[in-house]
Amino acid sequence: TQLLEQSPQFLSIQEGENLTVYCNSSSVFSSLQWYRQEPGEGPVLLVTVVTGGEVKKLKRLTFQFGDARKDSSLHITAAQPGDTGLYLCAGAVYGGATNKLIFGTGTLLAVQP
Amino acid sequence: DARVTQTPRHKVTEMGQEVTMRCQPILGHNTVFWYRQTMMQGLELLAYFRNRAPLDDSGMPKDRFSAEMPDATLATLKIQPSEPRDSAVYFCASGLAKLAGGPGGETQYFGPGTRLLVL
Repeated sequence: TQLLEQSPQFLSIQEGENLTVYCNSSSVFSSLQWYRQEPGEGPVLLVTVVTGGEVKKLKRLTFQFGDARKDSSLHITAAQPGDTGLYLCAGAVYGGATNKLIFGTGTLLAVQP
Repeated sequence: DARVTQTPRHKVTEMGQEVTMRCQPILGHNTVFWYRQTMMQGLELLAYFRNRAPLDDSGMPKDRFSAEMPDATLATLKIQPSEPRDSAVYFCASGLAKLAGGPGGETQYFGPGTRLLVL
């Protein structure tokens, strides 16, 4: 069974602070995606990383895929209240016809003004 | 602005009743996914379809759950009979799979979900 563990599970910080969320697995994934989910809505894709060691930046968010493609991290610089939400990592398992996503356990982030 | 739509948004029912959830994928997408989200289990894949054919439903309890795509614009998830442990938010997502597969994975666009409460 492929599992993706995220840490921390919950994080409450003040506006302007930096934070890092980790996504770890013992399995290798063909790619890894990060989603953000707001209350009452479905997850929305933030980024896809494909190559081991790849780093992608999206404004104040920096995503990194581990060299062995088993883990990933999300770093937010100078967090803002608008960053509040549930962050989910998802590993893609290549099934030949299409990719199936295995979702992580989630990190609930609250940024206080 | 293309979006995945789901109906109903909320459903409260009694144990033993049949529940049908509907999803309209984004026009042109060839892959549809059904997920269930709970506090305890997180987001779990129940089933997915490509070009209306079921590819994997291993995550779905077969005795009471069924998923179908009557046509390219409609996907349904049915629970019969429903049980209190089925209470969750059910999401539909659609995507455009690459014809030859590949490591990138298609982007999945999620609907707003159906919140189901079985009493």
